[in-house]
Amino acid sequence: KQEVTQIPAALSVPEGENLVLNCSFTDSAIYNLQWFRQDPGKGLTSLLLIQSSQREQTSGRLNASLDKSSGRSTLYIAASQPGDSATYLCACKLVFGKGTKLTVNP
Amino acid sequence: GAGVSQSPRYKVAKRGQDVALRCDPISGHVSLFWYQQALGQGPEFLTYFQNEAQLDKSGLPSDRFFAERPEGSVSTLKIQRTQQEDSAVYLCASSLLTGQEETQYFGPGTRLLVL
Repeated sequence: KQEVTQIPAALSVPEGENLVLNCSFTDSAIYNLQWFRQDPGKGLTSLLLIQSSQREQTSGRLNASLDKSSGRSTLYIAASQPGDSATYLCACKLVFGKGTKLTVNP
Repeated sequence: GAGVSQSPRYKVAKRGQDVALRCDPISGHVSLFWYQQALGQGPEFLTYFQNEAQLDKSGLPSDRFFAERPEGSVSTLKIQRTQQEDSAVYLCASSLLTGQEETQYFGPGTRLLVL
C-alpha cells in the first residue's frame, strides 16, 4: 500500500526566502505526483502535476521535481510571499501526505 | 460550471441521523472522487466513479457509507446512522478523463459535525 510522507510538518520563514518542501512515497510505480495547496477551510488547489516520465515541472515561482527511483519529490518556492502561507500537500496513486503548513512572515 | 461545487457547505447532524452530501463536478468531467479529511490530516480516498460506474469503493470505511452517480454527473455521498467519528470534511474532486493520470479539481468540501 502506498504511503506518502511530508517533511517538515510545519515551516515558518521570513518573506523573500527560498524554501523546499519534501515529499516521499513508498511505491515507485506511480503514474504521476501532484502538489496541492490548501487554504484554511477551503478545498485543494492543484499547483503542479509531474508525470512519471518527467523529472520536473515549473509554474511561476514554483518548481517541483520527481525522483521515482528514490521515491522523492520536492516543491521549491522561490522568493516566498505572505500570500504563499497555506498547507501544501503532495499526492500519488490517490494517497495524500499530511501536508506541510507554511507560514511566510512579512 | 466554473468549478466543482458541493452542498451543503456545513452540516450538523445528531448521532444516528442519515446525511446526504452532494457534489456537482465540472461539466463534462468523466472521473469523480470522494475523499474524507480529518482535522490536521491529508485527504483519504473513499471512492471513485468513471461516469456512472463506481469502479473503486475500497476506501469507504463501513457499509454505512454509500455513494452514487446515477447519470454520470452529480454525485451523492450518503452516510447512514452517523457516528461521531464520521465528523470530518468531505471533499469531492473531478478530472476530465479516466484513471490516475489527470489533474484533479477539488470542491470546497462539506464540513460534517456529528454531535
